[in-house]
Amino acid sequence: RKEVEQDPGPFNVPEGATVAFNCTYSNSASQSFFWYRQDCRKEPKLLMSVYSSGNEDGRFTAQLNRASQYISLLIRDSKLSDSATYLCVVSRTFSGGYNKLIFGAGTRLAVHP
Amino acid sequence: DAGVTQSPTHLIKTRGQQVTLRCSPKSGHDTVSWYQQALGQGPQFIFQYYEEEERQRGNFPDRFSGHQFPNYSSELNVNALLLGDSALYLCASSLEGRLYYGYTFGSGTRLTVV
Repeated sequence: RKEVEQDPGPFNVPEGATVAFNCTYSNSASQSFFWYRQDCRKEPKLLMSVYSSGNEDGRFTAQLNRASQYISLLIRDSKLSDSATYLCVVSRTFSGGYNKLIFGAGTRLAVHP
Repeated sequence: DAGVTQSPTHLIKTRGQQVTLRCSPKSGHDTVSWYQQALGQGPQFIFQYYEEEERQRGNFPDRFSGHQFPNYSSELNVNALLLGDSALYLCASSLEGRLYYGYTFGSGTRLTVV
């Protein structure tokens, strides 16, 4: 089982739709949580960090449920420019004090006119 | 803005050859992590460098090695290339103790092994 699991996608939605992505992680020692966006053949870029209390950034809302080890991303009023792959990412600290990001496989979103 | 710089952007190599990829971290960052991203998959952790030392590596063979220099820049070396090494190689930089802000990624090196 992968440490970070995401909806496989792709999600094909019309402009203006609301779309939700789900993600689960298996290691309860995970400490920080993020959503990254990756455009085709480009590098991942940080979309938003995910706080325990949930947080919103414009049309994007992220939620974290530590008890269920579940993370979500909600996109409202989808735009054509939202078309991309959304990567769920967790981090944890390993022995020796270093930490690393662990990525899900990503969920592809295609917004059409 | 001095973001993460990777070179080269694209590379074609033959099986059995060796390759060196380079990365300059974002200004002010001191930690460099390398990831391999195969088509349709999420990035997979290769290793991380801090204070010129490799701190941990992922599930990659010893053919993958690296180095960090005093100016925090880093190299990834892959020996005896296999067809399966074809992927996008991403370098990410961060500031030790500030992981909460996430990593900054370079645009990657797309390696094709033929």
